This record gives sequence, C-alpha cells and structure tokens, in this order.
Amino acid sequence: DAKTTQPNSMESNEEEPVHLPCNHSTISGTDYIHWYRQLPSQGPEYVIHGLTSNVNNRMASLAIAEDRKSSTLILHRATLRDAAVYYCILRDAASGTYKYIFGTGTRLKVLA
Amino acid sequence: GAVVSQHPSWVICKSGTSVKIECRSLDFQATTMFWYRQFPKQSLMLMATSNEGSKATYEQGVEKDKFLINHASLTLSTLTVTSAHPEDSSFYICSAPDRGRGDNSPLHFGNGTRLTVT
Repeated sequence: DAKTTQPNSMESNEEEPVHLPCNHSTISGTDYIHWYRQLPSQGPEYVIHGLTSNVNNRMASLAIAEDRKSSTLILHRATLRDAAVYYCILRDAASGTYKYIFGTGTRLKVLA
Repeated sequence: GAVVSQHPSWVICKSGTSVKIECRSLDFQATTMFWYRQFPKQSLMLMATSNEGSKATYEQGVEKDKFLINHASLTLSTLTVTSAHPEDSSFYICSAPDRGRGDNSPLHFGNGTRLTVT
C-alpha cells in the first residue's frame, strides 16, 4: 500500500493562508491524491483530490509536485471552523479494490 | 451532494452481546463500502471492504468471524460486532464512493458509530 507522511500538527492564525504538506514518495502512476478532514466525533469530510494538475474548489486548492512525490493542501483563509485533522490519502488503484488507506494526518489548530 | 447515513450514532452494550451497525447510501448506489475503526487520538484503520452481492474482503489482522459484514443491496451494508468485548469499544465509520461519478469519485463518509462495551 502506498504510504503518506504528514506533520503531526500545525498552527495557523485566523484569516491567514495555511499550507498543509504531504509526502508520498512511493506513489504509483495511477494513484490519485485525496484529502479529507475530520472534526471531533464525526466522520471524515471530503476536501479535494487530484492526479497531476493543481486543483481548486470552493474549499481549498491542491498543489501537486511535478514528480508527484508530494502535494500541498492550501486553505486560502483559515477560519476557526477549519480546525480539524487533515488526512492525505492515496487511492490504491493497484490492488484493484481502490482501497483508501489513512495515514496519521495533520491536526490543524487555528488561532483566533 | 452524496449522503451516507450510519446508524446508530452511538451504542452501549454488555460484554458478550452482538451489535449491528447499518450504513446506507441515500442518493447513490454503493457497490463498494469501506468499514473503518478509529481509536481515540488515532487515525482511521481500514477493517474491510464490503462488496454488494459477494463476500467482504478483510484487512490483515481483522477477524472476519467477529466482524460480520453483509452488503445485501446497493444501498445498505451492515457490520455486526459479535460477542463484543470491552476492547472492541471504538468509533466505527463506514464510507462509500459514488462510482456513478467515475472510478475515482471521492469517498462519502457516515458520521460514525461510537460503540462502548461494558
């Protein structure tokens, strides 16, 4: 299973941009990069995903390195509601079952 | 957007009893569902992949006779924790991709079931 590594925790000030890094050096050519976030006592929530090109949606932007061995989730203006654990996941296409294996995630703290 | 409903949201049971957790896709067909378990302050651990109309695929170290999975329809998968023990107390979460939107559709998660075994 392809693995991801993320910093355990990060802090940001409210209204400032946040860049959450993820390393996935063993990514295969067909693995998509997914990001989810989880609030306490809730199921994870989809944030964004991509393959090679940078992606934008209403929640965030995803910047993918040219060699695809790393990516960065960008929250353009952090709010208190963005405080959560953010997971970077590779969808395992090689197994044929498209499993989603979670890593340890980054706990984002947003300071008012 | 696509919704996955999980029930119950919490349950307390006595040691030795069985507990069934339901996971429903409300507005899409889920041929595959994933079951995760999460202990406090830890990440989600994939337990098994549930496939409609066929046997579930369990991850290494997960006892299939203890965690029974049934995926009898395109909108419902159930996880039954049999002969529950206190160490089974955890947060169980189901999820499903909306494959109608393509093979790489994102996962939609239920809100989880907090199981406490006394």
